Amino acid sequence: DTGVSQNPRHKITKRGQNVTFRCDPISEHNRLYWYRQTLGQGPEFLTYFQNEAQLEKSRLLSDRFSAERPKGSFSTLEIQRTEQGDSAMYLCASVGGAAFQETQYFGPGTRLLVL
Amino acid sequence: SQQGEEDPQALSIQEGENATMNCSYKTSINNLQWYRQNSGRGLVHLILIRSNEREKHSGRLRVTLDTSKKSSSLLITASRAADTASYFCATDLYLTGGGNKLTFGTGTQLKVEL
Repeated sequence: DTGVSQNPRHKITKRGQNVTFRCDPISEHNRLYWYRQTLGQGPEFLTYFQNEAQLEKSRLLSDRFSAERPKGSFSTLEIQRTEQGDSAMYLCASVGGAAFQETQYFGPGTRLLVL
Repeated sequence: SQQGEEDPQALSIQEGENATMNCSYKTSINNLQWYRQNSGRGLVHLILIRSNEREKHSGRLRVTLDTSKKSSSLLITASRAADTASYFCATDLYLTGGGNKLTFGTGTQLKVEL
């Protein structure tokens, strides 16, 4: 399977704990996005990388959230001191090719439950 | 906040019938896209229509765009049980470095019954 992969698929944690999610984009896709989706809503943009550079961050990305893409390939999203309101599906998407390619290829997501 | 609002929120039809979903958005757009999401396959891109286009077809899908009304519609013809999913419209905004930020609506849950 050469699609976008995300790990873990599910994560249950207690409030106050730190969690880290990983996204492996489609090989050679240079642009990577993180979105968050709460129940009954559409995904909301969190952040965007071109290669290893984080070029855009949403106001939704509080200082408890940090995302990295150290070598321009996989990316991690860390949430520190989790809160119950962080419970959501975290989606990763990647895009390759020329600039402003609009179709984003999404991974299956990581579903986070904060108790 | 969500850019778009889909209407209806939920739709139930019989197999073979057509399904129409509407989307309204608030600001100027570069393009509008429709995505489908189900538990089995995640979020999948269906079709894109550019701001200077009025109608586009892809297989059983037909999308219209009215930029003066800031609205779009998705028509699925001859629906199948496998079309059961949530459908989202998403407007996109170009970002620094060649990226584009998608802003999704709230979605329409479509159920196609046998």
